[in-house]
Amino acid sequence: EIVMTQSPATLSVSPGERATLSCRASQSVTSNLAWYQQKLGQAPRLLIFGASTRATSIPDRFSGSGSGTEFTLTISSLQSEDFAVYYCQQYNNWPRTFGQGTKVEIK
Amino acid sequence: EVQLLESGGGLEQPGGSLRLSCAASGFAFSNYAMAWVRQAPGKGLEWVSAIGDATFYADSVKGRFTISRDVSKNTLYLQMNSLRAEDTAVYYCAKFGPQYFDYWGQGTLVTVSS
Repeated sequence: EIVMTQSPATLSVSPGERATLSCRASQSVTSNLAWYQQKLGQAPRLLIFGASTRATSIPDRFSGSGSGTEFTLTISSLQSEDFAVYYCQQYNNWPRTFGQGTKVEIK
Repeated sequence: EVQLLESGGGLEQPGGSLRLSCAASGFAFSNYAMAWVRQAPGKGLEWVSAIGDATFYADSVKGRFTISRDVSKNTLYLQMNSLRAEDTAVYYCAKFGPQYFDYWGQGTLVTVSS
């Protein structure tokens, strides 16, 4: 099973600042990596797939990068609606596995 | 518009059974693989099972849970037997698009407790 490790667990950011979230895979997943956003009490929402492709209707302040085992989600200028928990997920192998999440909170 | 609506959650005793349903609309249901993903209270996301040309299960549910679909009803199912306390979670239905989860339902809560 591929273990996905996200860091940091919590990121405190002021509105308008940049946020950088990391995700590491225990073995290569090539570019088969997705990012999801989950707000409190809501279902997850797909943000990024293929490590760097934004999903439909996702603002361009969200960007993804990386390949192999190291990935990054960057939010260029945090808006109030971006404070949430973010998960990475690999879909290169079965079982599909998620990271434990990074909570982005207001500083 | 893609819509996924889960139902069937509730309170069940350890060792009991529940069947979850997910009614799908807004896309060609028979053409897409589907999955169940769960989230224990205050915890992260855990993939549970998937169905496409084949079926797949997480080790934690293998032999106890069965995923199926009825394309005539556009409905996905999860039969959960021999329930344990650690199965307590919100269960989400998710559509593959094609390999990641591009749409999610709002979830149904399963509580396993005596």
